[in-house]
Amino acid sequence: QVQLVQSGAEVKKPGASVKVSCKASGFTFSDYYIHWVRQAPGQGLEWMGYINPYRDGTNTAQKFQGRVTMTWDTSISTAYMDLSRLRSDDTAVYYCVRDGFGKSLYGWFDPWGQGTLVTVSS
Amino acid sequence: EIVMTQSPATLSVSPGERVTLSCRASQSIGSNVAWYQQIPGQAPRLLIYGASTRATGIPARFSGSGSGTEFTLTISSLQSEDFAVYHCQQHNNWPYTFGQGAKLEIK
Repeated sequence: QVQLVQSGAEVKKPGASVKVSCKASGFTFSDYYIHWVRQAPGQGLEWMGYINPYRDGTNTAQKFQGRVTMTWDTSISTAYMDLSRLRSDDTAVYYCVRDGFGKSLYGWFDPWGQGTLVTVSS
Repeated sequence: EIVMTQSPATLSVSPGERVTLSCRASQSIGSNVAWYQQIPGQAPRLLIYGASTRATGIPARFSGSGSGTEFTLTISSLQSEDFAVYHCQQHNNWPYTFGQGAKLEIK
């Protein structure tokens, strides 16, 4: 079945970086946009950006530009999200999500990975 | 950036009742709204996209409607497993944005 499996929880100090992985299965990874969405404790959902393995591109929300790097390895169907210069307000669950039906950008998300809790604390 | 506003923030309802959740966009977004259900401690699950198309495997008691700036999610007869947080999201253009969430709780 279609599935996204993310790496485990992380605890980081302010100023450090974190890299979250997202392994896809059950579909052709290179045909789909993969997005990253985060959710701070008790808060709503926030879109961070996407990768487009099909057209070899990325797009990052302005808020995260300069701090977020999204990459992928098609050979192992895995996407990565690297967030640098961590602050306490980056404490959140980070989700990878698959976009729509593939090839084109639809902007709705299904399925979701299980989430990775990143805690930033001194 | 398009702002999505959900109302009410919390709704207390009884099993079997019909409930309607609202979502307003700060500018016209056609029919490009998705709805997600999130049970505490779990990842969100897609319910509706394109304002009214149910995702695969979603029960028929969930329906979506609206266009332009006003959208609704209706659950025709609440089941115990439907008590959760519901998020709307505009997928008209990036940056994709979500509402703040609406919590359905048992009365």
